[in-house]
Amino acid sequence: DAGVTQSPTHLIKTRGQHVTLRCSPISGHKSVSWYQQVLGQGPQFIFQYYEKEERGRGNFPDRFSARQFPNYSSELNVNALLLGDSALYLCASSPALRGSEKLFFGSGTQLSVL
Amino acid sequence: AQTVTQSQPEMSVQEAETVTLSCTYDTSESDYYLFWYKQPPSRQMILVIRQEAYKQQNATENRFSVNFQKAAKSFSLKISDSQLGDAAMYFCAFSRSGAGSYQLTFGKGTKLSVIP
Repeated sequence: DAGVTQSPTHLIKTRGQHVTLRCSPISGHKSVSWYQQVLGQGPQFIFQYYEKEERGRGNFPDRFSARQFPNYSSELNVNALLLGDSALYLCASSPALRGSEKLFFGSGTQLSVL
Repeated sequence: AQTVTQSQPEMSVQEAETVTLSCTYDTSESDYYLFWYKQPPSRQMILVIRQEAYKQQNATENRFSVNFQKAAKSFSLKISDSQLGDAAMYFCAFSRSGAGSYQLTFGKGTKLSVIP
């Protein structure tokens, strides 16, 4: 079975632009989470979706939004990009919505904002 | 709010030797989960080991084991018989228990180098 897939792998944008990142979870997984990993830091939680509903939001501005589709894939959108949005964006999936869940991560999208 | 602290930015170990990575956390929760994730250069985070806070017995997965001290809020990872493939960033993470919603709170990570 395929793991969590993210696209694109790398992306270069300029300040003020908009970006859409995509994630396909492991087949059968209904929960998708997004994390931002700035260079030299641990991942920071952005959003969690389960069954197409937002179930958690981290401390990120409204420029960040996401959605989950009927097939459980997900998109992360970032508007009005800032230099500080440059980071590795990680998507993770899990079968259910419990604190004990093992998360399966994709290899991320490396976003560079110039 | 929960915080996770990894005080060792970098560590190194000789191949076949044992190394311990440190992690402390702060929470007011009584029931929670702790994790160690590995991030190799491929960038994909991989679960190494998981500990349930209400279990006193330390978790073990092959060459990986933890020393969980709940009162001290300490959760260290011991890697025995280190292999070259163990070289990676290691992140300690915390998750609240229960269903409904959860998020992982990560530490800043420890970069582990394995010397042949």
